[in-house]
Amino acid sequence: EAQVTQNPRYLITVTGKKLTVTCSQNMNHEYMSWYRQDPGLGLRQIYYSMNVEVTDKGDVPEGYKVSRKEKRNFPLILESPSPNQTSLYFCASATGSSYNEQFFGPGTRLTVL
Amino acid sequence: LAKTTQPISMDSYEGQEVNITCSHNNIATNDYITWYQQFPSQGPRFIIQGYKTKVTNEVASLFIPADRKSSTLSLPRVSLSDTAVYYCLVVNSWGKLQFGSGTQVVVTP
Repeated sequence: EAQVTQNPRYLITVTGKKLTVTCSQNMNHEYMSWYRQDPGLGLRQIYYSMNVEVTDKGDVPEGYKVSRKEKRNFPLILESPSPNQTSLYFCASATGSSYNEQFFGPGTRLTVL
Repeated sequence: LAKTTQPISMDSYEGQEVNITCSHNNIATNDYITWYQQFPSQGPRFIIQGYKTKVTNEVASLFIPADRKSSTLSLPRVSLSDTAVYYCLVVNSWGKLQFGSGTQVVVTP
C-alpha cells in the first residue's frame, strides 16, 4: 500500500531533550516536506526537500533540522525542543513533477513540557 | 507566494451543492491553484488542482476565471462525510506550499 509513515505518532518529552521524528514513504517520491499545525494558525511548512541531499527552509524552520540522505526518508530533528514546539506535525511527499499533489502522513502529536 | 482568502466557515444540508470561493489576487503566471481537504486529526488530502478554466474529477470541480484572481471549488451533492476543512493553495514550481486558514464546511442532515 502506498503510504507515508511517521514515528512516533505521539510523544511527550521535556525541554532540551533532543528528539527525532521519522518519516518514510514507499512511493519513490522525490519531494518531501514537514509541516506543523497549530490551532488558529493552520498548517505551516517547516522544511522541504526536492530530492536527496537537497533541502530548503519553509516558513517556520527555526528550531528544526532535517536531512535527506535517502530518497524514502526525511527525518525531522529537534535538537533542543521547547514548549512552543508543542504541535501536530505532518510529513508529506510528492512526485518531482507534481508538488501540488502531496500525500500526507498520519501526523505526530508532540508535547514538550 | 500569493496569499489566499477564503470564508472561515460554510454550512450546508445533505444533497446540496457547496461552492467555496478563494481569492488570490497576487497569483503569478506560473502558479497553480490547488485544493485540499482535512478531517480532524488527519493529514490533508489532495482534492483537485487547476491552472485556468474548469477542471473536474470524481470528487469536485474547480472553476477558475480568465484573470485567475479567484477560484471556486464546487462539491456536488454533499454528504455528512464531506464535513471537513477545505484549503485553497496557490502553488509555484519551487515546492513551497502555503496553507491558509481554510474553510470549515459543516454538512447537516
